[in-house]
Amino acid sequence: GAVVSQHPSWVICKSGTSVKIECRSLDFQATTMFWYRQFPKQSLMLMATSNEGSKATYEQGVEKDKFLINHASLTLSTLTVTSAHPEDSSFYICSASGPGRGSRETQYFGPGTRLLVL
Amino acid sequence: DAKTTQPNSMESNEEEPVHLPCNHSTISGTDYIHWYRQLPSQGPEYVIHGLTSNVNNRMASLAIAEDRKSSTLILHRATLRDAAVYYCILTTSYDKVIFGPGTSLSVIP
Repeated sequence: GAVVSQHPSWVICKSGTSVKIECRSLDFQATTMFWYRQFPKQSLMLMATSNEGSKATYEQGVEKDKFLINHASLTLSTLTVTSAHPEDSSFYICSASGPGRGSRETQYFGPGTRLLVL
Repeated sequence: DAKTTQPNSMESNEEEPVHLPCNHSTISGTDYIHWYRQLPSQGPEYVIHGLTSNVNNRMASLAIAEDRKSSTLILHRATLRDAAVYYCILTTSYDKVIFGPGTSLSVIP
């Protein structure tokens, strides 16, 4: 149980294009979803937190107009990287938490999406 | 800044127990202690969590100090598949999660 999927697992795009990454909780209702970015040899950096049906809360330094987050249902959140540039190349990871799974604060992570912007 | 401190790296021999320490001297009464691990090029995997009492599950055991200012993740018999970065994190419902650098565990055959 507590499975979170991400799609796609990897994507290569040209500079200036937009990329959408989906995060789904497959067997539980995710009241809260989180998006992280991870650069090589570094730890995870929280980008934003979203609660179902509410606007996402972005961390300092993360541009909300560039990284659009939608959490329209209890099982799906999307991250859209708009007008991607090479410096946006990274490993993007989502996580989800919800009632009845671990503690209220336990996060279950997706497998990650590797983005390469050329 | 992360609220926990962990050694940067540790080594273990295969099939021996591993004790991964974590210090969290500023823990508050509502903070849960969560452990995750991350294999290369994968998302983190939930390992175990606790509040005050020691916890056991099929993956590991979590020993929490009586004052809760430190904890230890115990892998009873390390395997090569346990080689990963282990993150010790404090979580609470009203504050964001901050990942520190974690402990990179190497398992020697």
